[in-house]
Amino acid sequence: AAGVIQSPRHLIKEKRETATLKCYPIPRHDTVYWYQQGPGQDPQFLISFYEKMQSDKGSIPDRFSAQQFSDYHSELNMSSLELGDSALYFCASSLGKENTDTQYFGPGTRLTVL
Amino acid sequence: RKEVEQDPGPFNVPEGATVAFNCTYSNSASQSFFWYRQDCRKEPKLLMSVYSSGNEDGRFTAQLNRASQYISLLIRDSKLSDSATYLCVVKTRNNFNKFYFGSGTKLNVKP
Repeated sequence: AAGVIQSPRHLIKEKRETATLKCYPIPRHDTVYWYQQGPGQDPQFLISFYEKMQSDKGSIPDRFSAQQFSDYHSELNMSSLELGDSALYFCASSLGKENTDTQYFGPGTRLTVL
Repeated sequence: RKEVEQDPGPFNVPEGATVAFNCTYSNSASQSFFWYRQDCRKEPKLLMSVYSSGNEDGRFTAQLNRASQYISLLIRDSKLSDSATYLCVVKTRNNFNKFYFGSGTKLNVKP
């Protein structure tokens, strides 16, 4: 079965650079979530989209923005990168209905900021 | 206080042992409950959803106690491959698209 696809899988950037992470949800899933997981930490919710509209906002820094496109894929844009942004970034998708709202995670993008 | 609390462990158990994890949640309006498993440097993978009546999947049994606001996961006959971090995840009714994660409980199954 098709899973959530994230690209790139690994990314190395320098401080103050920008990065764009992409997420392709499971086909027919209309909800996308972004999480940041630092070393030894649990996933921290950043932001989510349902039907191309932002549905919830977590601890996403102002330097980051995200959107969901008409084909339901999502992009997380990160600017003025800091060393502390180094983390594993997961995207998850779900079918945003009450009874089938299980999230399925992508393999993650490992971002290293030097 | 975190929305979802878990004992971080680690739980070190021998193969074949039975081990149980608990997770408490603070929002009584929480509606959906899940256990995820996460291996080191990998994405969380759904282990099982937790239903009010309790549910079982092979060696894994999940229970929900709404009155006390806790969820449990029981693993019987532990295998070496069960070694991982187990994340408790809760979704609240009031917030359509927000899931709260516990910090995870680390399990080490030893030969």
